[in-house]
Amino acid sequence: AQTVTQSQPEMSVQEAETVTLSCTYDTSESDYYLFWYKQPPSRQMILVIRQEAYKQQNATENRFSVNFQKAAKSFSLKISDSQLGDAAMYFCAYRGGAQKLVFGQGTRLTINP
Amino acid sequence: EAGVAQSPRYKIIEKRQSVAFWCNPISGHATLYWYQQILGQGPKLLIQFQNNGVVDDSQLPKDRFSAERLKGVDSTLKIQPAKLEDSAVYLCASSLGGMRGSYNEQFFGPGTRLTVL
Repeated sequence: AQTVTQSQPEMSVQEAETVTLSCTYDTSESDYYLFWYKQPPSRQMILVIRQEAYKQQNATENRFSVNFQKAAKSFSLKISDSQLGDAAMYFCAYRGGAQKLVFGQGTRLTINP
Repeated sequence: EAGVAQSPRYKIIEKRQSVAFWCNPISGHATLYWYQQILGQGPKLLIQFQNNGVVDDSQLPKDRFSAERLKGVDSTLKIQPAKLEDSAVYLCASSLGGMRGSYNEQFFGPGTRLTVL
């Protein structure tokens, strides 16, 4: 079975600075997707960024980028120029052939003004 | 385009009572998911429907949880009888569904927060 591990329960960063959230996963599949979701207090899961395993190029979405290391099964999220609105729970998630999402435990990100 | 709708948003019940949650997916989405998110944890899949058929219910506690998806559209998740450990947020998500390996983004509803006293 696939597993996703986020080893940082909480992270904090000063506004306008850069923060990196870590994620590792375990799978025997070769074709899969990896995601970072943001969950604010409203509980709505918001997709931040996705990465296809067969693509070597790291995905970027504006201030959000990932460092995908397939051999190491590592998938970190970098948030540049942190803003107060970035404060939320962040979940790393895996999706393989079964289509269901397997989530990590989450990292609570605090932005200090 | 309307998003995934869920109701109620909040529910408080006593243990051993029953409760039902409703989900209306995005129009045209063939795949529907129910996730359970216990406080401080990531969501865990309870059941996955493709149209009105069950694809995966391996983590659904079938002695107390049941779910159905009528006519391949709306879905209801029921708990009977509820236990204290069922306190959680129940998230519904939907996706277009399609060929294995294709990208099918899951869109999430706002969730239902259940408190069992």
